[in-house]
Amino acid sequence: QVQLVQSGAEVKKPGASVKVSCKASGYTFTSYFMHWVRQAPGQGLEWMGIINPSGGSTSYAQKFQGRVTMTRDTSTRTVYMELSSLRSEDTAVYYCGRDRGCSGGSCYELDQWGQGTLVTVSS
Amino acid sequence: SYELTQPPSVSVSPGQTASITCSGDKLGDKYACWYQQKPGQSPVLVIYQDTKRPSGIPERFSGSNSGNTATLTISGTQAMDEADYYCQAWDSNTVVFGGGTKLTVL
Repeated sequence: QVQLVQSGAEVKKPGASVKVSCKASGYTFTSYFMHWVRQAPGQGLEWMGIINPSGGSTSYAQKFQGRVTMTRDTSTRTVYMELSSLRSEDTAVYYCGRDRGCSGGSCYELDQWGQGTLVTVSS
Repeated sequence: SYELTQPPSVSVSPGQTASITCSGDKLGDKYACWYQQKPGQSPVLVIYQDTKRPSGIPERFSGSNSGNTATLTISGTQAMDEADYYCQAWDSNTVVFGGGTKLTVL
């Protein structure tokens, strides 16, 4: 069965960076795009960007341009999301989500989600 | 940037039909999908491509999308359906979520 297992909770100081991992299993890793979505406490879902695990190409939400980097390691079937220059407003649960996949491309619909990683930014 | 608008809350009695709307400019020209999120859990896709249900999603969940409004309908609502529901579409290679609707079953 498809599984996305994320790294554990992080506590960071303002100005620092955080790198969250998402290890995939149960399907062909390079055949499905992966999204990153975050959710601040008590708030809604916010899309951060998408990575193609096959070639590594990325597309980021304008809000995060210049602060987010998504990468992948095909040997370990893992995608990463690194967010820099952290501020208190970045405190949130960060999710990876697999794209449902359409004709080798992205459907922009997330059919499997990781368990979430809580990132707390506090001085 | 593209925006999707949902009502903050909807209430329904057990066994009745719940309808949650999602509004956006010419949303009917795009595909809409819906996620269910229960407290402390990750979201679950319940409707994709406007009307399709992933395997394992009960038949009581259905969707429609026309004009400027997509609608998630839950027929014969059960207590277990109480959750937050988010609509989602994409525009200019960007995923957009609605603000979410809290469904209360009382």
